[in-house]
Amino acid sequence: IAGITQAPTSQILAAGRRMTLRCTQDMRHNAMYWYRQDLGLGLRLIHYSNTAGTTGKGEVPDGYSVSRANTDDFPLTLASAVPSQTSVYFCASSATVLGTDTQYFGPGTRLTVL
Amino acid sequence: AQKVTQAQTEISVVEKEDVTLDCVYETRDTTYYLFWYKQPPSGELVFLIRRNSFDEQNEISGRYSWNFQKSTSSFNFTITASQVVDSAVYFCALISSGSARQLTFGSGTQLTVLP
Repeated sequence: IAGITQAPTSQILAAGRRMTLRCTQDMRHNAMYWYRQDLGLGLRLIHYSNTAGTTGKGEVPDGYSVSRANTDDFPLTLASAVPSQTSVYFCASSATVLGTDTQYFGPGTRLTVL
Repeated sequence: AQKVTQAQTEISVVEKEDVTLDCVYETRDTTYYLFWYKQPPSGELVFLIRRNSFDEQNEISGRYSWNFQKSTSSFNFTITASQVVDSAVYFCALISSGSARQLTFGSGTQLTVLP
């Protein structure tokens, strides 16, 4: 069982380009999340999804969009990347829709926007 | 609003020393959950523990122990007889029933265990 996989592992991107970060889980978890990690700030929630077909905004959603077409996949899209979106991005999942379950994290994607 | 404070930015200890990582939280909700995660140099986030607000019993797991005190809004983490492999960034996090699924993280404590 892989748990959560993220792709790519790292990426360097020119400002203004569109980028989709992929996240797949094989645990049949209902809820999924995207966080960004910046030095000294811990992790901050970008978007979440309670179940397939639903999404919600987190603390820092501007400049990002998500979709949840099925249980396993939760891609994060940057429509027009800016340098302030340089960060490490983590995808996470939790078992139920309650929102208070333990969240398990993927290995992360390191994104640099120049 | 909820908040997690990890006042210790960096801690260095020598192997076999005990070390305590502090975590202080703020929330208006009476139902909430506290977590600790470990982030080793390889970068992944590893879940360590989850506690709910109604269970103040301390917990021990091998060399790890956690002290939850609602009176001081603290959830401290102690590593006994530290090892070099314990070197990592440790995050305390909080989610409450009214937080719309937002897991709020502290800024993390970088622990370095020297041989």
